[in-house]
Amino acid sequence: QQPVQSPQAVILREGEDAVINCSSSKALYSVHWYRQKHGEAPVFLMILLKGGEQMRHEKISASFNEKKQQSSLYLTASQLSYSGTYFCGTEVYSSYKLIFGSGTRLLVRP
Amino acid sequence: NAGVTQTPKFRILKIGQSMTLQCTQDMNHNYMYWYRQDPGMGLKLIYYSVGAGITDKGEVPNGYNVSRSTTEDFPLRLELAAPSQTSVYFCASSSDTRPYQPQHFGDGTRLSIL
Repeated sequence: QQPVQSPQAVILREGEDAVINCSSSKALYSVHWYRQKHGEAPVFLMILLKGGEQMRHEKISASFNEKKQQSSLYLTASQLSYSGTYFCGTEVYSSYKLIFGSGTRLLVRP
Repeated sequence: NAGVTQTPKFRILKIGQSMTLQCTQDMNHNYMYWYRQDPGMGLKLIYYSVGAGITDKGEVPNGYNVSRSTTEDFPLRLELAAPSQTSVYFCASSSDTRPYQPQHFGDGTRLSIL
């Protein structure tokens, strides 16, 4: 079952913060976050593991709420380079397979 | 390291033609994946492999076939191409070391069926 991402799109001014959510109806083993710029391949940001800690990549951090089966990606003090589409990929039990959400488009303006 | 290499980068096919999308990785990863991404959409898993000789279906396998004879290569075969298969195809690989390692993506193959 595909995870649900929200919001579908976000427009920010440089320096503003944003939160992107990823929810699943199934119990998750892990959640991955990737960023994809237009015309390019997805690039790995971080993995959240069941029972694991909150992760951080530069000024981007993420958490995983096991009770809600929801992961949130926090972008603080956004930079122009943060623009792109953010995808969460969810792993149900220890399957090594990811099911990706439909993405959240983020545009950071000067 | 080259990472994950996909060929060709672009291809136009006529309806009913067949072709093979090539994918090779030099990271000695056991896990390999094929995804398709339609315009403005997310990634859909077509097939995946957990090692040489072992493959399994993903979310959208119809119209495709795969094989995995070596650790390095994971080709995707399209038989009887249809317009609905127009998409960008990404190959990815990951280590099977726990905890789950990130997937490394190739640059993609942009395929149009006319």
